[in-house]
Amino acid sequence: GAVVSQHPSWVICKSGTSVKIECRSLDFQATTMFWYRQFPKQSLMLMATSNEGSKATYEQGVEKDKFLINHASLTLSTLTVTSAHPEDSSFYICSASSTRAQYFGPGTRLLVL
Amino acid sequence: AQTVTQSQPEMSVQEAETVTLSCTYDTSESDYYLFWYKQPPSRQMILVIRQEAYKQQNATENRFSVNFQKAAKSFSLKISDSQLGDAAMYFCAYRTAYGGATNKLIFGTGTLLAVQP
Repeated sequence: GAVVSQHPSWVICKSGTSVKIECRSLDFQATTMFWYRQFPKQSLMLMATSNEGSKATYEQGVEKDKFLINHASLTLSTLTVTSAHPEDSSFYICSASSTRAQYFGPGTRLLVL
Repeated sequence: AQTVTQSQPEMSVQEAETVTLSCTYDTSESDYYLFWYKQPPSRQMILVIRQEAYKQQNATENRFSVNFQKAAKSFSLKISDSQLGDAAMYFCAYRTAYGGATNKLIFGTGTLLAVQP
């Protein structure tokens, strides 16, 4: 399957700071990427759809001003958690979508102190 | 709206045995894709197998195969000759075929598979 990288894999930050997570599609161009959040022992919760060259589409209940998404190229999407708070601590996963399937990055564990 | 249901929160299988994970879905569409993803303790989501709804033939990938029953809206995953490395959370997912790569996945709640040595 296709390879998707995600960086960083782990981040610990202080409350009030912003954190940027990068998602890269390494071997195919993805016009669409997705960002998920996953709580322990639960399924993936879709946060937003990232479209190259246009604004992201956010799921209901997700604050677009808090979770900024930029899909600047066909291989890179970034998620910035602005003014992070402890309740934002979670596991964030991105995926790059092809006509065949979605391929997932390894995830980023965010801990906000 | 489409939904995906996995009715088995946990399953267990002996090493080298066969196990079947259940998945049902609801849709009014005729063309779509179904997937099984595996999430081991590392939490990396791995695509296990993919099925196109218009294909009657069940997909197979080595030890993994599916039983796709379109009329019953059922999509079960069979793992043969189970290995310790198969221990993971398994998610069933649905994606509409209309619109290509822009379409999101609809996930089930997952089945946690334990493999006993």
